[in-house]
Amino acid sequence: GAVVSQHPSRVICKSGTSVKIECRSLDFQATTMFWYRQFPKQSLMLMATSNEGSKATYEQGVEKDKFLINHASLTLSTLTVTSAHPEDSSFYICSALPFPGTSGGFYPYNEQFFGPGTRLTVL
Amino acid sequence: TQLLEQSPQFLSIQEGENLTVYCNSSSVFSSLQWYRQEPGEGPVLLVTVVTGGEVKKLKRLTFQFGDARKDSSLHITAAQPGDTGLYLCAALYNQGGKLIFGQGTELSVKP
Repeated sequence: GAVVSQHPSRVICKSGTSVKIECRSLDFQATTMFWYRQFPKQSLMLMATSNEGSKATYEQGVEKDKFLINHASLTLSTLTVTSAHPEDSSFYICSALPFPGTSGGFYPYNEQFFGPGTRLTVL
Repeated sequence: TQLLEQSPQFLSIQEGENLTVYCNSSSVFSSLQWYRQEPGEGPVLLVTVVTGGEVKKLKRLTFQFGDARKDSSLHITAAQPGDTGLYLCAALYNQGGKLIFGQGTELSVKP
């Protein structure tokens, strides 16, 4: 249980285009999902907290108009990088917090489960 | 200001050696987690420690939570090339599940 998928796993796009990344919890419901960005050899940097049915909460310094987040269902959150530029190239990772009782396991300490990541390259 | 200070950030050792990674903070946390991440993949949870002074073992990995719940360590005995990866400590920032991460430790174990 507690599997999170991301699609696509890698994407290459031209500067100025928009890219949508999907994050799905496959076998549990998640009212809260998180989006992270990671540069090579560095730790994860939280970009935003995505809550089902409400607006995302962005971390300081993250442009909400640049990184659009939609959490339309209990199993899906999307991150859209609008008008992507080469400096947006990075590894984007999502995680999902199981809603109590909906996963196959028991996670009492707010453990969240991470997707496999999406490598975005903007040319 | 980094809330979780992780050290060392890079570690290159020979197979069979022991190593310890530290995660320190001036804040008290209700729990602390350790993750391992391989290149091109998402982090995988290794362990969650919740009680001050707690020690948990996962094969050759030993995790300890400080008595005051401000720090933690990860000790690997007889490291193997398969242990190579990025090790991350993380702590729960709020009840909403938001995690803060340490800087990470890039471990390379050479055969």
